[in-house]
Parts: sequence; C-alpha cells; structure tokens
Amino acid sequence: QVQLQESGPGLVRPSETLSLTCAVSGASISDENWWTWVRQPPGKALEWIGEIYHGGTTNYQPSLKGRVALSVDRSQNRFSLRVTSVTAADTVLYYCAREIYRGHFSGIDSWGQGILVTVSS
Amino acid sequence: EIVMTQSPATLSVSPGERATLSCRASQSVSSNLAWYQQKPGQAPRLLIYGASTRATGIPARFSGSGSGTDFTLTISRLEPEDFAVYYCQNYGTYILTFGGGTKVDIK
Repeated sequence: QVQLQESGPGLVRPSETLSLTCAVSGASISDENWWTWVRQPPGKALEWIGEIYHGGTTNYQPSLKGRVALSVDRSQNRFSLRVTSVTAADTVLYYCAREIYRGHFSGIDSWGQGILVTVSS
Repeated sequence: EIVMTQSPATLSVSPGERATLSCRASQSVSSNLAWYQQKPGQAPRLLIYGASTRATGIPARFSGSGSGTDFTLTISRLEPEDFAVYYCQNYGTYILTFGGGTKVDIK
C-alpha cells in the first residue's frame, strides 16, 4: 500500500520561501505515475498546485507559476515543493499525492495526511 | 482555463435516500473527470475517474455519468458514512482543476 508523508516547517515568515518534502513508501517514485501537490485553505475547496514526473518534467497551476517549483529525489524516493515570496494567502493545508496512470490519468489515488503551513511574522 | 462549477453547494438528504450532485465544465472536457469524497480532518478519497469508472474498493452505490460539459455523481442510497464534501476534478492538458465542492449533509 502506497503511503505519502509530508514534512516541513509549520510556520513561515511572510516574503520567505516555503519548502515541503513528501516521502513515498510502498511504491517507487520512478513508476509510470505523476506526483502532485494540492492545497486547501481551511474550510475551502481543493486547489491543484502542480505535478512532477520522476524524470523531472513539471506542470504548474498557472496562477502559481513563477512562485512554485517542484523537484524529485529518486535516490530518496521523495519529491518536494518550494513556494517563494509567501503571503498570508499561502496559509493553507498542503497535501502531497500520487496521480495514477493506467495508460491514461486514472485519478489521484493516494494522499498524504496533509500539513498545515501558517505564514506569519 | 477551464472552470469547474459544482451544484448545489449544499445538499440535504436523509439516510437511505438518493443524492444527485452536478458538475459543469466551462468547456468540453470529454470524459476527463474524477470525483473525490472528503470527510472532516481527512484527505480526499478517489471515487470515480474517467467520468464513470469506480476506483478500487468504492461501493456500487456510487456512480458517475456524463461527458463533455455536464457530469453527475449519484449516490443511490445514502449511508451514514457518505455525509461529506464531494469534489469533481478535470484533468486537462498539463493542468488539473477542482470544482468548488458540494457538501452532503443530513436532512
């Protein structure tokens, strides 16, 4: 069974960079799937941030492009998210997850438990 | 950019009744649509992909239909554990988009 676990600081100062890591177990990050980040403000809807393939190919939410970067570490079986110039609007719950492909997109089938990041001085 | 609109925002249903949730895309997304269930304090759970294919382990009371711009998630007979928020999601070329969600609560 695939398990994902987010880690990183729960508090980031405004204008600084938020960095989160997602450790994957029970599956290889080099499988033919994509790895993704989704965020959710408290009590609000889900928002897709971006995705990365094990080869390093990335796609991002257009509204966040320029502030967001994903990376993958195949040796550690994990992937990471960086968000620069954070503001209070980046105070949300961040999920890492797996987009499963069986010839075509077949949903986001495995999720981490989520990590709440607060942007505050 | 494709916008996914879900309705209603809240649906009040009695246990044992049928629930019908709608999701509309601002332009055709073919059958590139998934549905998720989210309970308080939990990560979302994949229910449906490809507009109508149930994910592994999802009970048969959940069914999805539609293509193009209009999609429906039907829960045939609501069980107590089905009261939750439901999201639709489009997966387009290089971008995924979620709808705003429908909360199904107890009538």
